[in-house]
Amino acid sequence: QKEVEQNSGPLSVPEGAIASLNCTYSDRGSQSFFWYRQYSGKSPELIMFIYSNGDKEDGRFTAQLNKASQYVSLLIRDSQPSDSATYLCAVNKAAGNKLTFGGGTRVLVKP
Amino acid sequence: SQTIHQWPATLVQPVGSPLSLECTVEGTSNPNLYWYRQAAGRGLQLLFYSVGIGQISSEVPQNLSASRPQDRQFILSSKKLLLSDSGFYLCAWSRGEQETQYFGPGTRLLVL
Repeated sequence: QKEVEQNSGPLSVPEGAIASLNCTYSDRGSQSFFWYRQYSGKSPELIMFIYSNGDKEDGRFTAQLNKASQYVSLLIRDSQPSDSATYLCAVNKAAGNKLTFGGGTRVLVKP
Repeated sequence: SQTIHQWPATLVQPVGSPLSLECTVEGTSNPNLYWYRQAAGRGLQLLFYSVGIGQISSEVPQNLSASRPQDRQFILSSKKLLLSDSGFYLCAWSRGEQETQYFGPGTRLLVL
C-alpha cells in the first residue's frame, strides 16, 4: 500500500461544475495535509493546507479532512479551464520534516 | 516576502559527468531546505533535507549528495551522473517542521 494514494485521472469536468479530488493516507499519526497544483512543466504551488478534521474553505477551493477514515479531499467549485492541472496531495507525518506526496490527479476542465 | 531561486533552469549532461545544482532562498532566515526529484509522469520523491548549515539528512541512497554551505543556500551534487538521474529537480523551503513547503521553479535535467 502506498503511503499517499490518489486517483491518477484524468478527471474531466465541465466548466462551471464542481471537481472533487480524493486522497487517502496510511499513517494514522499524520498531522498536516496539503494540496498543491502543478501545471505541466512547472513547479508545484500551494493551494491550501488543513490540520483539523472538517472543512476549510478558501475562495473556490474547499479542503475536507477526516482523520478517522484517513482521507483528505479537495473540492473546486465553478471550475475554470485555468484549473486544468495536476493536483498533488501531500501529507506530513507525526514528527519531522518528511512531506510525502501522492502521485497526483490530473484534472481537465472543458469549456 | 520570501523568494526561492534555482539554477540552471535546464541542463543537458552526458552520462558520467559531474553535477551541481544550486538553490537559494531570500527573505527568511534559518529555513528548512529540501531537494526533491520528479521523474517524468511520476510523483515527487524527497532526496535530502536540511534544518541548518552543514546538517543534511538523506532519504534515498544514490549517487547524489547535498550540501548547505550557507544558511540560505542548498546545493545538489553528483560526481558521475547516471541515465536514471534525469528528471525535474525541485528545491523547497519551509519555516520549520510541519510547516508548509514552498517550491522553487525547478531544474530540468536530461542525462544522455
